[in-house]
Amino acid sequence: DAKTTQPNSMESNEEEPVHLPCNHSTISGTDYIHWYRQLPSQGPEYVIHGLTSNVNNRMASLAIAEDRKSSTLILHRATLRDAAVYYCILLLFDSGGGADGLTFGKGTHLIIQP
Amino acid sequence: DSGVTQTPKHLITATGQRVTLRCSPRSGDLSVYWYQQSLDQGLQFLIQYYNGEERAKGNILERFSAQQFPDLHSELNLSSLELGDSALYFCASSVAPSGTGDNEQFFGPGTRLTVL
Repeated sequence: DAKTTQPNSMESNEEEPVHLPCNHSTISGTDYIHWYRQLPSQGPEYVIHGLTSNVNNRMASLAIAEDRKSSTLILHRATLRDAAVYYCILLLFDSGGGADGLTFGKGTHLIIQP
Repeated sequence: DSGVTQTPKHLITATGQRVTLRCSPRSGDLSVYWYQQSLDQGLQFLIQYYNGEERAKGNILERFSAQQFPDLHSELNLSSLELGDSALYFCASSVAPSGTGDNEQFFGPGTRLTVL
């Protein structure tokens, strides 16, 4: 299975952009890149996902390298509420049609300083 | 609020006992997933159901079983409980498993199980 590598922790200041990196050098051509986050004492929360092109939604942006071996989750203006563990996950293509349980790593613990 | 509900929120029981955790998916979602989060193992995928049928198994112990009912709610049964089963158990749902990876999951708030 393709694996992801993320820094254990990162620190940023409130109201500044945050760039969370993820390496996935063994990604295959049909793997989607997903990001989830888990706020303290809550269940994981979907953030964004993409395949090849950069993606934007109301929460964040996802920048995917041209060779797809790395990606970066961008929080444009971090708030204290963005302090969480962020998980970069590859969702593997299942030719059988539908097995898509998520494999979580240790993620990046994002600390936001006021 | 993700729209996924789980009951109970907390459960305290003794070793050797059996418990049932319940999950109601978001309205319209056909697929349900169970995950376990413990301090030493992190978040682990246990099992996935789609429209009443088992679709995939992860790191689920033989002492654990699950099912999805016709109304699409799901139950996770944990038996012969051990101290190491103490963990947070999350349920998630999605519209349908596409198999392509282009699918997001919505997680419930979890059930905290404590085995004494």
